[in-house]
Amino acid sequence: EPEVTQTPSHQVTQMGQEVILRCVPISNHLYFYWYRQILGQKVEFLVSFYNNEISEKSEIFDDQFSVERPDGSNFTLKIRSTKLEDSAMYFCASSLDRAGEQYFGPGTRLTVT
Amino acid sequence: SQQGEEDPQALSIQEGENATMNCSYKTSINNLQWYRQNSGRGLVHLILIRSNEREKHSGRLRVTLDTSKKSSSLLITASRAADTASYFCATNDYKLSFGAGTTVTVRA
Repeated sequence: EPEVTQTPSHQVTQMGQEVILRCVPISNHLYFYWYRQILGQKVEFLVSFYNNEISEKSEIFDDQFSVERPDGSNFTLKIRSTKLEDSAMYFCASSLDRAGEQYFGPGTRLTVT
Repeated sequence: SQQGEEDPQALSIQEGENATMNCSYKTSINNLQWYRQNSGRGLVHLILIRSNEREKHSGRLRVTLDTSKKSSSLLITASRAADTASYFCATNDYKLSFGAGTTVTVRA
C-alpha cells in the first residue's frame, strides 16, 4: 500500500541553524500538508500546498518557515534560524483531493538544542 | 477553526470490551475524520464520514455523525491490546483541526 515517507526520522540541530525536513507524498496525490506536534500538545496545522503554491498557512507558519516541491516527488519544509520552541514532531501529509482523507507520514522529531 | 474536541480524555477498558468516544465540533462541516496515533508515532487515518452520512462502518469501527448536535462518536468493538492509542477526530475545512484526543488503554 502506498505511504508517505519522511526523512530523517530524528534531527538534532543547534539553535540558529537551518534545517530541511523531507517528505515523499503518495505519488498520485495533489495536496500536501505539514503539521506540527509539540510534545504533549495537539497536532497543529502549519501549511497546505497545491499546484506548486501555498494554499493556506497558519499563524505559526511565519517567515521562518518555507515549503518547496523541488521535483516531482519530494516536498520539503525548511526552518531557518531554529529556536528552542521549534522542537516538535513534524508530520507531512498528502491527499488526493481537497476534502479527502489525509495520509500522514511517520514524522520527523526535531530537537533544537 | 472547526476544531474537534474529544471526550473522554482517557478511557481504560478490558480486552474484548467495547470503547466509545465522542467528538464535538463548532461549525458546519463537509466531513469528519477519525485518526489513531500510537505513542510517538504518526497519525493513521481510520475513517471519514461525510456530512450527509449518519453512520459508517469499517471492520470493528463504527462511526456516527449527528450534524444537528455537531457531534460524532467512534465505537471500537471487541477491543484488542493493539487498539491502545490516542484517537482524534478532525474536521476538514481543508486544513485539519485536531482536538486533544482520547487516550484509550486496553488491558489484557
